[in-house]
Parts: sequence; structure tokens; C-alpha cells
Amino acid sequence: QKEVEQDPGPLSVPEGAIVSLNCTYSNSAFQYFMWYRQYSRKGPELLMYTYSSGNKEDGRFTAQVDKSSKYISLFIRDSQPSDSATYLCAMSASNDYKLSFGAGTTVTVRA
Amino acid sequence: SAVISQKPSRDICQRGTSLTIQCQVDSQVTMMFWYRQQPGQSLTLIATANQGSEATYESGFVIDKFPISRPNLTFSTLTVSNMSPEDSSIYLCSVVDSSYNEQFFGPGTRLTVL
Repeated sequence: QKEVEQDPGPLSVPEGAIVSLNCTYSNSAFQYFMWYRQYSRKGPELLMYTYSSGNKEDGRFTAQVDKSSKYISLFIRDSQPSDSATYLCAMSASNDYKLSFGAGTTVTVRA
Repeated sequence: SAVISQKPSRDICQRGTSLTIQCQVDSQVTMMFWYRQQPGQSLTLIATANQGSEATYESGFVIDKFPISRPNLTFSTLTVSNMSPEDSSIYLCSVVDSSYNEQFFGPGTRLTVL
């Protein structure tokens, strides 16, 4: 069993739809949770960073962490074609900053 | 956030040769890492590049294959030694902004081994 599981997709949605992305994990020591966006042939770009459980909102993006269920989510509201990318969840156990990544979900937003 | 550059951005190499990848950051950072992203897969941590001491390697990665240097707080190199086609990957460096506990990635080096 992988330490971090993420539905690889692909996911195709019409412009303006809500995109929902999820990851589950097995290591209960994970405390820091991140979502990265990766465009084709580019490095990952940090979108959201959350410590422990709870919600965090930044513009059209909302990250949720449920440590009791070992489940994290990213929601993208009013999706745009420019949101078309691969989204990676990542997490670490402590302040050693060593990240474990999900496989990534490729999202296409259709104009 | 820190601005990270990598050289080369891409390369095509022959089996049995070595390639050194450079990572330059525009500010001093304490933590620097090297990751590998194999085709169609996610990122895997290779090692932590420690300034002034030997790198710390993750399970499955060894110094003889992936020697790393970190001469100062803004620069690191990763060498992929004695390459085989299985080493064809994107290699990425990352740095941590300790003020915000956020980790940022460079643009990556796309390596193809023939």
C-alpha cells in the first residue's frame, strides 16, 4: 500500500464547474499538508499549505484536512481553462520537510 | 518565495555517462532537497542536500549513484552517475522557506538516457 493515495484521473470538467480533488494517507504522523499544481514540463507550484486538521481558503481554492479520516481535499471553484494542470497532494510528518507525494490528478477544464 | 533555477533544463545522454545538474537559489536557504519524477509518476525524494556535510539519502538511493554537493546555502549539484535508460526522469531541486514552512521547487531537469 502506498503511503499517499491519489486518484490519477484524468478529470475533465466544463468551465465554471467545481473541481474536487482528494488524497488519502496511511501515516498518522503526517501533520503538514500541501497541494501543488504542475503544468506540463514545469516544476510543481505550491498552491495551498495546511498544518494539521481544518480548512483553508485562498481565492477560488479551498483545502480541507481531516486527520481523523486521514483524508485531504482541494476544491477549485469557478474553474477556468488556465486551471488545467496536474494537481499533486504532498505531506510530511514533521519539520524535516521530507515530502511524500500522491500520484497526481490531471485536470482539464473545457472552455 | 525563493527563485530557483536549474541547469541544464534538459539533456539527452548516452548510457554509461554521468550528468551533473545544478540548482541555484536567489537567497540563502537552510533546507534543500533533490527529487526524481519518473515518467507518468509522482515525485520521489532522493536526498537531503546538507551544507558542509554529506547528503542524507532516502531508501533506494545511494551516494555512488547520486553524489550531491552543497558548498553553500544557495547552491547544490546532483550527479547522476553511470546512467542507464531507467534513469530517464525529471530531476527537481526544492528549498524550504523556513519562515513559512513552505517548500518550493525548481523548474526541473528533464533527462533522457539512450
